Amino acid sequence: GQNIDQPTEMTATEGAIVQINCTYQTSGFNGLFWYQQHAGEAPTFLSYNVLDGLEEKGRFSSFLSRSKGYSYLLLKELQMKDSASYLCAVMDSNYQLIWGAGTKLIIKP
Amino acid sequence: ETGVTQTPRHLVMGMTNKKSLKCEQHLGHNAMYWYKQSAKKPLELMFVYNFKEQTENNSVPSRFSPECPNSSHLFLHLHTLQPEDSALYLCASSQGGTDLYEQYFGPGTRLTVT
Repeated sequence: GQNIDQPTEMTATEGAIVQINCTYQTSGFNGLFWYQQHAGEAPTFLSYNVLDGLEEKGRFSSFLSRSKGYSYLLLKELQMKDSASYLCAVMDSNYQLIWGAGTKLIIKP
Repeated sequence: ETGVTQTPRHLVMGMTNKKSLKCEQHLGHNAMYWYKQSAKKPLELMFVYNFKEQTENNSVPSRFSPECPNSSHLFLHLHTLQPEDSALYLCASSQGGTDLYEQYFGPGTRLTVT
């Protein structure tokens, strides 16, 4: 079966750095997405990786290793507004998005 | 402000009721999706419409019935639901086809079945 694994919850301190990991096992691979979802709001797109390596976008970076079935989202200079759930999703060979259950990130002052 | 709107935002219905959820996208996209989001569970894809044609139905019970009259509007008709159907129902859109574009989500309808 297809599976996406990510930690259920993480806690970090304002101003620090946090890394949210995602491992996947899917039927084929057409890219990996990260979305942010604040409580009670819609998920919003953060990043897309299809090639190995690191993609940097401001305070957020996303890394992919296809051979290891592994990705991480790196958040730097954490702000209170970064408290949210972070969803990892992989597009399989049928161009369907397979979603993880999300990682709830709690930022403490 | 999201380009995808959903109404109603909250809905409480009994198991014998019939109701409909509405989604509208103002982004010029050609693909629209219905998802179910339950607490601590992955997003579950329910239906996909690509250029108004249904291309995916992930074994969703017949008490959920989608309708896509045009590429901007998507409905989810509900009837004789069960309490376990209580969840957040999210609509999303993307540019469509098999192109790898990100999806834009609406704010969701919080459904409670009593």
